[in-house]
Amino acid sequence: EDQVTQSPEALRLQEGESSSLNCSYTVSGLRGLFWYRQDPGKGPEFLFTLYSAGEEKEKERLKATLTKKESFLHITAPKPEDSATYLCAVDYTSGSRLTFGEGTQLTVNP
Amino acid sequence: DTAVSQTPKYLVTQMGNDKSIKCEQNLGHDTMYWYKQDSKKFLKIMFSYNNKELIINETVPNRFSPKSPDKAHLNLHINSLELGDSAVYFCASSQAHGGYIADTQYFGPGTRLTVL
Repeated sequence: EDQVTQSPEALRLQEGESSSLNCSYTVSGLRGLFWYRQDPGKGPEFLFTLYSAGEEKEKERLKATLTKKESFLHITAPKPEDSATYLCAVDYTSGSRLTFGEGTQLTVNP
Repeated sequence: DTAVSQTPKYLVTQMGNDKSIKCEQNLGHDTMYWYKQDSKKFLKIMFSYNNKELIINETVPNRFSPKSPDKAHLNLHINSLELGDSAVYFCASSQAHGGYIADTQYFGPGTRLTVL
């Protein structure tokens, strides 16, 4: 069954403590893997799109990587303002629909 | 200059009522979507329209009817509301539909629907 799984469900970090979030997928014909950030009461905010294994993208303290089975979102020296739920989604059909994982809720303590 | 906007932000109503949620995008995109986010924060696609044509219609009760008057607008009408319809509904848009690689979808701020 096609599936997107994110881990951990929740992660607490101290400010400056680097870590990684995982998104594993079991779909065929990946057309794109997306990372979004969602703050409470707001819509998902686009972060990155990755299209093929080996691809990497960076934005400030965030770096996303992609293999054939999973993607990592690396957070370097996080700050409290990085606290949010991070969502992974894949598009693997011609219908341009996103299949989301359940998200990782990140809390960064000062 | 909001990219994807939705109204209303909050909607509280009684069971059995009919309600609508409106969505507009000013990105010039051809494709628009409705997603539902349940109490566990899980996002799931409901519908997709490309140039006013219905493309995706997931297993959604036919009490839900999307309408796209033009490619910048996609509204969601819900008849005979039930308790289980309580959720946050997100509109999204993307440049195109289909193709070899996926287009990025941009989301609106959401409409929190509470059915009493």
